[in-house]
Amino acid sequence: DSGVTQTPKHLITATGQRVTLRCSPRSGDLSVYWYQQSLDQGLQFLIQYYNGEERAKGNILERFSAQQFPDLHSELNLSSLELGDSALYFCASSVEPGVNNSPLHFGNGTRLTVT
Amino acid sequence: ILNVEQSPQSLHVQEGDSTNFTCSFPSSNFYALHWYRWETAKSPEALFVMTLNGDEKKKGRISATLNTKEGYSYLYIKGSQPEDSATYLCAPRTGANNLFFGTGTRLTVIP
Repeated sequence: DSGVTQTPKHLITATGQRVTLRCSPRSGDLSVYWYQQSLDQGLQFLIQYYNGEERAKGNILERFSAQQFPDLHSELNLSSLELGDSALYFCASSVEPGVNNSPLHFGNGTRLTVT
Repeated sequence: ILNVEQSPQSLHVQEGDSTNFTCSFPSSNFYALHWYRWETAKSPEALFVMTLNGDEKKKGRISATLNTKEGYSYLYIKGSQPEDSATYLCAPRTGANNLFFGTGTRLTVIP
């Protein structure tokens, strides 16, 4: 058990809808990272927060947004959903603001299916 | 987008065999290299974080080396066991503060 909690585990929704994925980092970790894994693709970095502030941004669509709250949990909001947004979304946490020396601890992911 | 290449894409070995995989990445602006093991239906789990050229790390039967000047890392598994079956991911950090994951090497150990 990595200590990172993601909810829900599965989500099925229709095109055009909006969903929120939630992540609670491991106790003591201040950084939260969001990754997307689509079929036959590697983990794609979306966005990182450190202690409530956006730290780094990857290939995150404008329809997607995220935030990290004072209690350090994070939410990833996906709107105007398209079929191509169907993927496994992982949250990971680490203790440091950067990824130099600290490994990432991954949650079990949220599988989003857009129909 | 960073060009991270892992080879081979997949590998089948017999139980007891030793094996190794390669991760290639751009050598400029290198900060760190992470290795993760990803078992089916589970989440990726960190194996090693390596930062220095010439670094060697070991965890049980698994070890890794790093060459930052030429931009590659090797992961070795000695005496493979069925429980080693997983996808092994490498992820360098170069420049931007995030990790770029390769697509991984899928290892299957045949009992």
